Amino acid sequence: GAGVSQSPSNKVTEKGKDVELRCDPISGHTALYWYRQRLGQGLEFLIYFQGNSAPDKSGLPSDRFSAERTGESVSTLTIQRTQQEDSAVYLCASSLATSGGLQVEQYFGPGTRLTVT
Amino acid sequence: AQRVTQPEKLLSVFKGAPVELKCNYSYSGSPELFWYVQYSRQRLQLLLRHISRESIKGFTADLNKGETSFHLKKPFAQEEDSAMYYCALRSWSNYQLIWGAGTKLIIKP
Repeated sequence: GAGVSQSPSNKVTEKGKDVELRCDPISGHTALYWYRQRLGQGLEFLIYFQGNSAPDKSGLPSDRFSAERTGESVSTLTIQRTQQEDSAVYLCASSLATSGGLQVEQYFGPGTRLTVT
Repeated sequence: AQRVTQPEKLLSVFKGAPVELKCNYSYSGSPELFWYVQYSRQRLQLLLRHISRESIKGFTADLNKGETSFHLKKPFAQEEDSAMYYCALRSWSNYQLIWGAGTKLIIKP
């Protein structure tokens, strides 16, 4: 079946512009995650959705970052007034619902490479 | 604070040689640990998790709570093992994964 998809695959934008990144999770996966990966670094958790709600937004780096999810499917990550330090690969992952201490595998999309000039 | 450290950014070994990718963690409690792998031009994918105690593609990893380590090992490296390897930690109290910076493994022919 289809995996997690993300669009665009690459985005170059000028400093100060807004960008919107999209994630389509695997059908039936109620949990959705956004991560940021700067060059040479590990993944940095941004936000997590369980269904349409985001129980934890503490990973969002600033109020310029926001995310939403509709219909337990597509999610968009919006970065307003982009800065050069926002340049990174933004990864989306989805999984079946987590419950209690049960860890389920996260399936990753190919990522969106964002370059802010 | 929860933290995952992968001390080697790059590891290069010859085909057929043993491989050990190091991962150390900092966590108060019982963590769940994972190894993820990203082959060239492919997505990040789960390789193995400590709770399963499995061997995948010849790789194993043992959780050593005394040394707070979860090193990934393979006795005989193959060229197709060349990839980026990430160690990740998840606490039992939430869903978040804490990631190491990754180790690039190059297997020389």
